[in-house]
Amino acid sequence: DTGVSQDPRHKITKRGQNVTFRCDPISEHNRLYWYRQTLGQGPEFLTYFQNEAQLEKSRLLSDRFSAERPKGSFSTLEIQRTEQGDSAMYLCASSLRQGAMNTEAFFGQGTRLTVV
Amino acid sequence: AQSVTQLDSHVSVSEGTPVLLRCNYSSSYSPSLFWYVQHPNKGLQLLLKYTSAATLVKGINGFEAEFKKSETSFHLTKPSAHMSDAAEYFCVVSDRAQGGKLIFGQGTELSVKP
Repeated sequence: DTGVSQDPRHKITKRGQNVTFRCDPISEHNRLYWYRQTLGQGPEFLTYFQNEAQLEKSRLLSDRFSAERPKGSFSTLEIQRTEQGDSAMYLCASSLRQGAMNTEAFFGQGTRLTVV
Repeated sequence: AQSVTQLDSHVSVSEGTPVLLRCNYSSSYSPSLFWYVQHPNKGLQLLLKYTSAATLVKGINGFEAEFKKSETSFHLTKPSAHMSDAAEYFCVVSDRAQGGKLIFGQGTELSVKP
């Protein structure tokens, strides 16, 4: 297993366009997380999945954002009608939840979004 | 609600001297605590984790951290800094009451001078 992979690594888009990012977690991991990181800040939680179920969404996740994990494997994060404030690094992480315990989360290298 | 406060946004040390990166946490339940490192243009890498076992935790690259419940602290230390340690460091808290999601601190940038 090569770890968590994200695609694309970089995305430049015009304001108002829609973008979609993909995350492939470590294969046996049932938890998948999305985070957003802006320059000089720590990653901020956006949402997470247990298998295909989306268990929590942050208040940061406006109606323009939607995430899916249709078969409990890869996940997509879509941003509609992008705004300049959406420019950030979008990070995906995965972990294994067993009972009440999580293994540590492993992060992908992120997708850097620039909205012009 | 859980939160993490990293007390220094930037720390500068000379190569070969000790490193101390400070972190205080707030959690309503028994927390798991982590330190992650982020090198420029690289992904986040786990340095070490505390999950209610030994309070002194050893991690990779000579780093260690001590969980002090009475002080709600989880400071990261290394006896002797190396140039390759220059990076951004994040203290992270997770607890079962919050479904295990990770809450990050603002980060501490570590600079190492020759």
